[in-house]
Amino acid sequence: EAGVAQSPRYKIIEKRQSVAFWCNPISGHATLYWYQQILGQGPKLLIQFQNNGVVDDSQLPKDRFSAERLKGVDSTLKIQPAKLEDSAVYLCASSLDREGYEKLFFGSGTQLSVL
Amino acid sequence: SQKIEQNSEALNIQEGKTATLTCNYTNYSPAYLQWYRQDPGRGPVFLLLIRENEKEKRKERLKVTFDTTLKQSLFHITASQPADSATYLCARADDKIIFGKGTRLHILP
Repeated sequence: EAGVAQSPRYKIIEKRQSVAFWCNPISGHATLYWYQQILGQGPKLLIQFQNNGVVDDSQLPKDRFSAERLKGVDSTLKIQPAKLEDSAVYLCASSLDREGYEKLFFGSGTQLSVL
Repeated sequence: SQKIEQNSEALNIQEGKTATLTCNYTNYSPAYLQWYRQDPGRGPVFLLLIRENEKEKRKERLKVTFDTTLKQSLFHITASQPADSATYLCARADDKIIFGKGTRLHILP
């Protein structure tokens, strides 16, 4: 089966610019996650969708980050304006459902550098 | 606050030996713990899941234990190989999946 697709693979921007990341989850997966992974750290959950509704966005810096999942399939994550500390890998993951026994399937991530 | 911690940032193990990685959790009891492998430049890949009422789970050379008294999970790789070198992440899994910082494992030939 096709995996989780993410684009772009790399992005370099200057601070205060905006950027958007795209994710296409595995077909049929109801739950979609965006994680931020800073170098040397574990993935930090930013937002979790169940179909097209937000389940958890408690760690999302809502003054600058936004995310949507239209029609319960693809998702975009946007940062506006970007700060230096946003430099990280942004990982998208999906799972069949949101139960704790469901394993996550990750994309390869988007590596963001903010200069 | 509810924490999940992997105390070893890096671990060097001689090829052929058993590598043991530790994951501790505090202030709550997760229903499930998951373990993932992450290679440089790639997303994490799921390895094993263990439920709170399971003491041990095995998959080929991998073994995971769950000790609710110690609030700890141990991840073992037996007969380790250089190809096992990677970062290993544990995650508490309830209504959301929260990861530890990971342990970088180096298997020395």
